[in-house]
Amino acid sequence: EVQLVESGGALVKPGGSLRLSCTTSGLNFINAYMSWVRQAPGKGLEWVARIRTNYEGGTIEYAAPVKDRFTISRNDSKNTLYLHLDSLKTEDTAIYYCTTGTFRDVDYWGQGTLLTVTS
Amino acid sequence: DVVMTQSPLSLPVTLGQPASISCRSSQSLVHSDGNTYLNWFHQRPGQSPRRLIYKVSNRDSGVPDRFSGSGSGTDFTLKISRVEAEDVGIFYCMQGTHWPLTFGGGTKVDIK
Repeated sequence: EVQLVESGGALVKPGGSLRLSCTTSGLNFINAYMSWVRQAPGKGLEWVARIRTNYEGGTIEYAAPVKDRFTISRNDSKNTLYLHLDSLKTEDTAIYYCTTGTFRDVDYWGQGTLLTVTS
Repeated sequence: DVVMTQSPLSLPVTLGQPASISCRSSQSLVHSDGNTYLNWFHQRPGQSPRRLIYKVSNRDSGVPDRFSGSGSGTDFTLKISRVEAEDVGIFYCMQGTHWPLTFGGGTKVDIK
């Protein structure tokens, strides 16, 4: 059974930084495309960032609102995905979901971790 | 970015009755590889989304056969043949044909 478990969500002031983690089990992590998707309170889903496999060079893509502020990374030896968030804004407040899938798809989701950015 | 527009925004349904949700994309979702990357997800209250349908009409493992997906090009539909209480929540479509991946705004289903 695939399990994705996010952690690291917190209450942070604007301009602050945070790192989210996603530990995985039950999937072939080294060959998995991994993404972060977020959901602002009472809102819809927004794809944030994706990292391809290291075999494919670990290519990274970001959504425009987070480019240059967020950094996605992976540690294949620990089956863990990360998201480092800098220069946080109030509009970054959301539940952040770790997801896996293929190049053009998202299938499994974690339970999410809540980031609140407020002064 | 490809804009995904769902309708209706809210769908009150009667238990045992059918329901239908529409999803339209601002561009054709037919990829050059011949596939159409259109998924449907269901998010129950307080839970994370769960994929129901991938590539327009393929049900995921464990998804009841009362759920079906159809459509082509820019117009897609999710149908529930007989709504059950566990179907309440929000349904989202998502396209993966064009980068970045984009989601519809969601359709909230509740019981009348």
